Amino acid sequence: DPKIIQKPKYLVAVTGSEKILICEQYLGHNAMYWYRQSAKKPLEFMFSYSYQKLMDNQTASSRFQPQSSKKNHLDLQITALKPDDSATYFCASSQEGQGEAEQFFGPGTRLTVL
Amino acid sequence: SQWGEENLQALSIQEGEDVTMNCSYKTYTTVVHWYRQDSGRGPALIILIRSNEREKRSGRLRATLDTSSQSSSLSITAAQCEDTAVYFCDTGYQNFYFGKGTSLTVIP
Repeated sequence: DPKIIQKPKYLVAVTGSEKILICEQYLGHNAMYWYRQSAKKPLEFMFSYSYQKLMDNQTASSRFQPQSSKKNHLDLQITALKPDDSATYFCASSQEGQGEAEQFFGPGTRLTVL
Repeated sequence: SQWGEENLQALSIQEGEDVTMNCSYKTYTTVVHWYRQDSGRGPALIILIRSNEREKRSGRLRATLDTSSQSSSLSITAAQCEDTAVYFCDTGYQNFYFGKGTSLTVIP
C-alpha cells in the first residue's frame, strides 16, 4: 500500500484558475513538506510543516498556500495559475526530532498550466 | 543550495564501470543522506552515513563522509543499466535543500 498519496497524478489547468493538490501520508510522521520540480531542474524546497504548523516558507509568491486540515494531510492550494507554475509537485514527510530525518516522497502531481 | 551540493551534474558510463559522485555541504551535520530519483518518480533514500562513520556500504553502494572537509561521496561498483537515475545528497536537517543532483546514465 502506498504510504504517501498524492492526488491527482496529472492535472491540467488554464491560466488564472485555481487548483488544490492533495497529499496524505500514512507513515505516522509529524513533519510534511512540499517541493516542486520543473523539467530537468533540481528539486526546489517550498514549505515545511511540523505538527500542522508552518515552519519554513521558501516560496516567494503568496499564490501558493499550504493547508493542513489533519495531521497527516498537507494540501497545496495554488491560485491565479500561470504557465510557469507547470511542474511536478512532490509531497514528502519525515519524523522530526530524530537525527536522521529521512524524507519519504510521494509519487508527485504533474501540473500543466495552459 | 544551502545544504548539499553535487559537484558534477551529468555522468555517462559503460555498464560494469565504477562511478563516484561527490557532494559538499556548508553547515554542520550529523548525517548525510543520498537519494536517487528515477524518471517520473519522487526521490528515495538509498544510503545514509552518520558523522561517526567514515564509510558505509550497502550492496554495490559505498558512501564516505569527511566532516573536516564537509564532503561526502557515493560510489557505485560495477554499475548496471538500472542504476541510471539522478542522485542527490542532503544533510537531513530541518530545511531540505537538495543540490542539482548528478544525472547518471549507464550505457549497456
